Amino acid sequence: EAEVAQSPRYKITEKSQAVAFWCDPISGHATLYWYRQILGQGPELLVQFQDESVVDDSQLPKDRFSAERLKGVDSTLKIQPAELGDSAMYLCASSLAPFRAYSYEQYFGPGTRLTVT
Amino acid sequence: LAKTTQPISMDSYEGQEVNITCSHNNIATNDYITWYQQFPSQGPRFIIQGYKTKVTNEVASLFIPADRKSSTLSLPRVSLSDTAVYYCLVGDSVDSNYQLIWGAGTKLIIKP
Repeated sequence: EAEVAQSPRYKITEKSQAVAFWCDPISGHATLYWYRQILGQGPELLVQFQDESVVDDSQLPKDRFSAERLKGVDSTLKIQPAELGDSAMYLCASSLAPFRAYSYEQYFGPGTRLTVT
Repeated sequence: LAKTTQPISMDSYEGQEVNITCSHNNIATNDYITWYQQFPSQGPRFIIQGYKTKVTNEVASLFIPADRKSSTLSLPRVSLSDTAVYYCLVGDSVDSNYQLIWGAGTKLIIKP
């Protein structure tokens, strides 16, 4: 069964440092999502891609977060500089359904657990 | 502020049917309602999705009333392995702003 790959699985970094997360979606899935999940809360959408284009980044803290999906396949989420409040699980998901198809059957990767010290 | 509302936690016993309800008053007209299951330290897993009335698959049923302002996930004959957090997900339209809204999750604990 095809899966969404993410790396690293765990990352510890000091505040003010830069950190990057990588995601490889299921082959053929044009839509890719990055979420942040704080322990005990539901996922919060950070950015959504349709192929290589950003279609929703309204909740992305753009002063420190950036995301790209240059060839419309894998994607990278970067935080620079990291802050203590960024400690969370960062989840990547992919979907066959295009943006605003109103269907949200998403397939999630295992996530990256970020700890900022 | 657009949001969905679910019970924070529920307990049940093996073999029982469990129903978890989510309210979503501002669901976008064309959006589906989607439910996910999440185990600790894993990403959410898709369970079921529906637009109206009733949808059933091999693991769950989803009941959606005509006004679509709520939905109920039904898990038949639960087992210990169904202990997890369950989330509803909808597209929400408030003041012409579209948002993808996840509930805060319902922690379901199944007892032997």
